Amino acid sequence: DVKVTQSSRYLVKRTGEKVFLECVQDMDHENMFWYRQDPGLGLRLIYFSYDVKMKEKGDIPEGYSVSREKKERFSLILESASTNQTSMYLCASRAQGADGTDTQYFGPGTRLTVL
Amino acid sequence: AQRVTQPEKLLSVFKGAPVELKCNYSYSGSPELFWYVQYSRQRLQLLLRHISRESIKGFTADLNKGETSFHLKKPFAQEEDSAMYYCALRYPGATNKLIFGTGTLLAVQP
Repeated sequence: DVKVTQSSRYLVKRTGEKVFLECVQDMDHENMFWYRQDPGLGLRLIYFSYDVKMKEKGDIPEGYSVSREKKERFSLILESASTNQTSMYLCASRAQGADGTDTQYFGPGTRLTVL
Repeated sequence: AQRVTQPEKLLSVFKGAPVELKCNYSYSGSPELFWYVQYSRQRLQLLLRHISRESIKGFTADLNKGETSFHLKKPFAQEEDSAMYYCALRYPGATNKLIFGTGTLLAVQP
């Protein structure tokens, strides 16, 4: 069973703080993703990584950066948190089956509140 | 640009009634389409994918390329189907990204 874990379920930070959100997967997947989930907006891709030290911007990368030093860990960094970054953050890890099928496995989410 | 549209934010039905959650996409090629589901206090998970042509928990979805739709259907809704449903599109050569719709909350009333 694929397991994707996120370091915190709930986080409260102040405007201007540097915030680290950690995600770990245990299935040796190459591809990992960070999304934010907002009511009425669905899931929007922030960044993804297709291998160690390899990253690519998603649809809404502004205000965020990422780090992938080890295959199992993908970190999302808010350099200077702002109130409009209050959201639910979801990490995902991608598996490709032998038949070419594609599945993303999601973590439980981190609800970040920026005051 | 590629896009996934779910026109209904909320769909409320009674137990035993048929359900259809709408999904339309914009992409001119051959997309891969998925439905993901998030039950209350659970993580988002894959429900079904169009290439598998499977039925999961009684749900089916047919890709209609002419109408660019991938609606999710179930003939008889159950209370445990209440959840948030997201339609998602992956297209070839896009480095494995998924584009998600805005989601539809299905509420099945007893």
